[in-house]
Amino acid sequence: GQNIDQPTEMTATEGAIVQINCTYQTSGFNGLFWYQQHAGEAPTFLSYNVLDGLEEKGRFSSFLSRSKGYSYLLLKELQMKDSASYLCAVSDSNYQLIWGAGTKLIIKP
Amino acid sequence: DAMVIQNPRYQVTQFGKPVTLSCSQTLNHNVMYWYQQKSSQAPKLLFHYYDKDFNNEADTPDNFQSRRPNTSFCFLDIRSPGLGDAAMYLCATSPPSGRTDTQYFGPGTRLTVL
Repeated sequence: GQNIDQPTEMTATEGAIVQINCTYQTSGFNGLFWYQQHAGEAPTFLSYNVLDGLEEKGRFSSFLSRSKGYSYLLLKELQMKDSASYLCAVSDSNYQLIWGAGTKLIIKP
Repeated sequence: DAMVIQNPRYQVTQFGKPVTLSCSQTLNHNVMYWYQQKSSQAPKLLFHYYDKDFNNEADTPDNFQSRRPNTSFCFLDIRSPGLGDAAMYLCATSPPSGRTDTQYFGPGTRLTVL
């Protein structure tokens, strides 16, 4: 079967750095997405990785290792507004998105 | 601004009373999706369209149906809502298929079943 694993919840301090991990087992791989979802709102696109390595976009970076079936989202200089769920999703061999359940990130002052 | 719009944002219905949720987009995307998302769970794909080509996920209950009368609009019909159908319903769009494309989501409709 197809599976995406990410931690259920993480807590971090304002101004700090946090890394949210995602491991996947899918039938084929056509890229990995990270989405941010605030409570009661729709997911918004953060990043897309299809090649190995680190993609940096401002305070957010995303890393991919296809051989390990592993990705992480790195958030720097955490702000209170970063409190949200972070969803990892993989595009499989049919270009269908397989979604993780999300990691709820709690930021404390 | 180009966007995905969902109406209503909040919908309350009675157990067993049909309800229709709507989605419209100004992005001119060929592909549209309907997801169901329950609290702290992954979005669950119900249907998707490549243009008017309808694709029903194997485990989508028969109680759920969808219509796409044109490129811009898509509807989700729940024929006889049960308490287990209370959820956030998300509409998303993406550009033409055949490769991996970012999905753009509407704000969602939160459905409550009484």
